Amino acid sequence: KAGVTQTPRYLIKTRGQQVTLSCSPISGHRSVSWYQQTPGQGLQFLFEYFSETQRNKGNFPGRFSGRQFSNSRSEMNVSTLELGDSALYLCASSFIGQYNTEAFFGQGTRLTVV
Amino acid sequence: KNEVEQSPQNLTAQEGEFITINCSYSVGISALHWLQQHPGGGIVSLFMLSSGKKKHGRLIATINIQEKHSSLHITASHPRDSAVYICAVTRASGGGADGLTFGKGTHLIIQP
Repeated sequence: KAGVTQTPRYLIKTRGQQVTLSCSPISGHRSVSWYQQTPGQGLQFLFEYFSETQRNKGNFPGRFSGRQFSNSRSEMNVSTLELGDSALYLCASSFIGQYNTEAFFGQGTRLTVV
Repeated sequence: KNEVEQSPQNLTAQEGEFITINCSYSVGISALHWLQQHPGGGIVSLFMLSSGKKKHGRLIATINIQEKHSSLHITASHPRDSAVYICAVTRASGGGADGLTFGKGTHLIIQP
């Protein structure tokens, strides 16, 4: 069974640009969650999608958005990039959701904003 | 104060030693997760607990719901166990961002 796949693995963008990251969950998993990891703040929850609907959202500005497609693949978008958006972005998939079900993480996309 | 606190932040030990990493949390939870992150970023889920104790190979995780505390133990530690170990909780339903809430991680180095 293939694991969680995130693309691209590395990305360099300029301040003010926008970026789209992709996450393909494990086959059969319907929940995809996104997290941001920075040296200063550690891992922080961005949002969770389940069956194409955003179910939960963390405390991030509206520049961070996402969506989920009917095949459960998810994308997250960051508009008007700021230097502070440089981070490792991780997605995790689970069968039902984060509630008492194991989360399987991808390798992450490392975004550098210059 | 962080809702999930881990200790120690850094731990260096010799191969073969028994390792304990602690996690305390201050919110109601439905589950606690222990995760492992190697250099390069990928995260592996080691355990998900809602009560009691779980064992997988040389790894043991325990949780005390009343005391809001969990421990991760590594027996017969090996250099390949060197990684960052992260405690995370799934909040009990009732509001807020219900994704995982993470501790800052414990950076473990096992020296040969």
